[in-house]
Amino acid sequence: QQQVKQSPQSLIVQKGGIPIINCAYENTAFDYFPWYQQFPGKGPALLIAIRPDVSEKKEGRFTISFNKSAKQFSLHIMDSQPGDSATYFCAASKDNFNKFYFGSGTKLNVKP
Amino acid sequence: DTEVTQTPKHLVMGMTNKKSLKCEQHMGHRAMYWYKQKAKKPPELMFVYSYEKLSINESVPSRFSPECPNSSLLNLHLHALQPEDSALYLCASGTQPGTGSFGYTFGSGTRLTVV
Repeated sequence: QQQVKQSPQSLIVQKGGIPIINCAYENTAFDYFPWYQQFPGKGPALLIAIRPDVSEKKEGRFTISFNKSAKQFSLHIMDSQPGDSATYFCAASKDNFNKFYFGSGTKLNVKP
Repeated sequence: DTEVTQTPKHLVMGMTNKKSLKCEQHMGHRAMYWYKQKAKKPPELMFVYSYEKLSINESVPSRFSPECPNSSLLNLHLHALQPEDSALYLCASGTQPGTGSFGYTFGSGTRLTVV
């Protein structure tokens, strides 16, 4: 059973657009929700992360929105650039188990 | 130093070969991980080492054998692999569970091809 469901599978936006990637989870014991960015041939890199006591977190052009009651969280990329074209993974973990459950990934293409 | 270094970057091996993947970090992290990633899929956890002790084995076949010689090094020994084991093998390190972990730092991976 997939612990974290991610959508869409792929996304194409124009430069300057605001792509939104959504994730949903079932396990209310999860208490840490990171987003990773992965370029081809590279390992995933941590972008931004949130804990469930906060509804929104912003770091530069990246924003996480978190809805605890709906068990959903999303990544917004403001003023997207072609260099943001990558695969994005959401994840969730129970901190004490130190195990991350990844979403299936979203391939983002930002057109010039 | 905020990197996780993996060697080699690419590896081609036959099904009867024995090879090893190496991972190194100098961030003082006491938890280290091996992940396997197939094309267009998320990383799948294989092993977790916490304070140099194996704490999680995700039912990985015995042809994969992890080793943590010290707090900075993690090895993955490979023997009698199958072509379906071809994948990107990622190492990661992180803070100790329960200390407010903020996420992993991943290496760039070893691209393994089994022929």
